[in-house]
Amino acid sequence: AQTVTQSQPEMSVQEAETVTLSCTYDTSESDYYLFWYKQPPSRQMILVIRQEAYKQQNATENRFSVNFQKAAKSFSLKISDSQLGDAAMYFCAYRSGNTDKLIFGTGTRLQVFP
Amino acid sequence: GAVVSQHPSRVICKSGTSVKIECRSLDFQATTMFWYRQFPKQSLMLMATSNEGSKATYEQGVEKDKFLINHASLTLSTLTVTSAHPEDSSFYICSASLNYGYTFGSGTRLTVV
Repeated sequence: AQTVTQSQPEMSVQEAETVTLSCTYDTSESDYYLFWYKQPPSRQMILVIRQEAYKQQNATENRFSVNFQKAAKSFSLKISDSQLGDAAMYFCAYRSGNTDKLIFGTGTRLQVFP
Repeated sequence: GAVVSQHPSRVICKSGTSVKIECRSLDFQATTMFWYRQFPKQSLMLMATSNEGSKATYEQGVEKDKFLINHASLTLSTLTVTSAHPEDSSFYICSASLNYGYTFGSGTRLTVV
C-alpha cells in the first residue's frame, strides 16, 4: 500500500523569506500524481500545486514550486516570499494512476511571522 | 470553477440520533465522491468512496452500517451517521474527483452530545 510521510509536524518562517516543506512517499507504481494542499483555519482544502510523475519538470505556481525527485520518492514544497496568508496546514497527497483515491500525509503546520 | 457544496457546516445532535450530511456538485457531474474524516490537528482519513448508482466502497475499519453513504444522482452524495455517539464527533469532508484533480466541500463539524 502507498504511504505518504511528512516528517515536519510544524515549521515557521519569517514573512518574505523562503521555506521548504518535506514529503516522501512509498509506492511501487510508476504512474501516479502528487499534490500539495493547503488547509487554512477555515478548514477548506485548497490545491496548491500538482505534479504528474511522468513529467520530469518540476511544477511551479507563482511563489510555490516543488522539488520532485522520483527516484528518491521525494516531493518537497518550496514557498518563496512567504506571506502571512500562507499560514496553514499543508498536506502532501498521493494518487495512484489506477484509482481516484487520494492518500494524505500527516500534515505540516506552517506559521508565518511578521 | 467546479464547486462542491456541503451542508450543514455545523451540526449538534443528541447521542443515539442520526445525522445526514449532503454534498452537491453545483456545476459538474460527480460520478465519484470521497468521504473523509478529520480529527483535530490530524490528517484526512478516507472513509469511503461512493459511485453514482452503486454501493459505496468502505475503507478497512469503517463501519458501513454506522456510516451510510448514498450516491443516487450525479450531483448528490449523502453521508448519514446513524445512532451517533460522542466518539463520532469529528470533521467530515467530501471530495469529488474531476479531471485528475479534486474539489472539496467546506466540511461539516459534527458534535454529538
